[in-house]
Amino acid sequence: KAGVTQTPRYLIKTRGQQVTLSCSPISGHRSVSWYQQTPGQGLQFLFEYFSETQRNKGNFPGRFSGRQFSNSRSEMNVSTLELGDSALYLCASSLGTIRTDTQYFGPGTRLTVL
Amino acid sequence: AQSVAQPEDQVNVAEGNPLTVKCTYSVSGNPYLFWYVQYPNRGLQFLLKYITGDNLVKGSYGFEAEFNKSQTSFHLKKPSALVSDSALYFCAVRDTINYKLSFGAGTTVTVRA
Repeated sequence: KAGVTQTPRYLIKTRGQQVTLSCSPISGHRSVSWYQQTPGQGLQFLFEYFSETQRNKGNFPGRFSGRQFSNSRSEMNVSTLELGDSALYLCASSLGTIRTDTQYFGPGTRLTVL
Repeated sequence: AQSVAQPEDQVNVAEGNPLTVKCTYSVSGNPYLFWYVQYPNRGLQFLLKYITGDNLVKGSYGFEAEFNKSQTSFHLKKPSALVSDSALYFCAVRDTINYKLSFGAGTTVTVRA
């Protein structure tokens, strides 16, 4: 079974631009969660989508948004980029139906904001 | 709110020696605990999880973890470490209300030959 895929793997943007990241979950998984990883803040939860609906949200500004499509693929958008948005963005997929299930992570998208 | 703590930023061991990475948790209700490993420029790989039952959980690549309710700990262990085990290890707890994972700060493991 194919794992979680994320595209692109690397992105370089400048301040003020916007960016869209994509995540394709494991087949059959309906939940996609997004995390931001930085050296200073560690792994922080952004939001989770389940069956095309945002089910949970972390403490990030409204510049960070996402959506999920009917095939469970998810996109994350960051508008008006700031230098501090430079990070590794990870998505994880799971069945999403029980709290004991496992989240499986993609390789991440490395975003650099100049 | 649920949380986990990894008290050691770094752990250094010699190849062939036992490896322990510590994790303590704080949660109301049943704890659902996870360990992940991250190699450079890669995503997180699932190692093992504790849901209920036996306090000793066996996982991938020879890793195991011991759940201790009285000490609220979930330490990751490997009897004989390999140089290839050098990586960043994360402990995580599943929120009891929603589905998000809360991660510890991570522990960098270095296994020297």
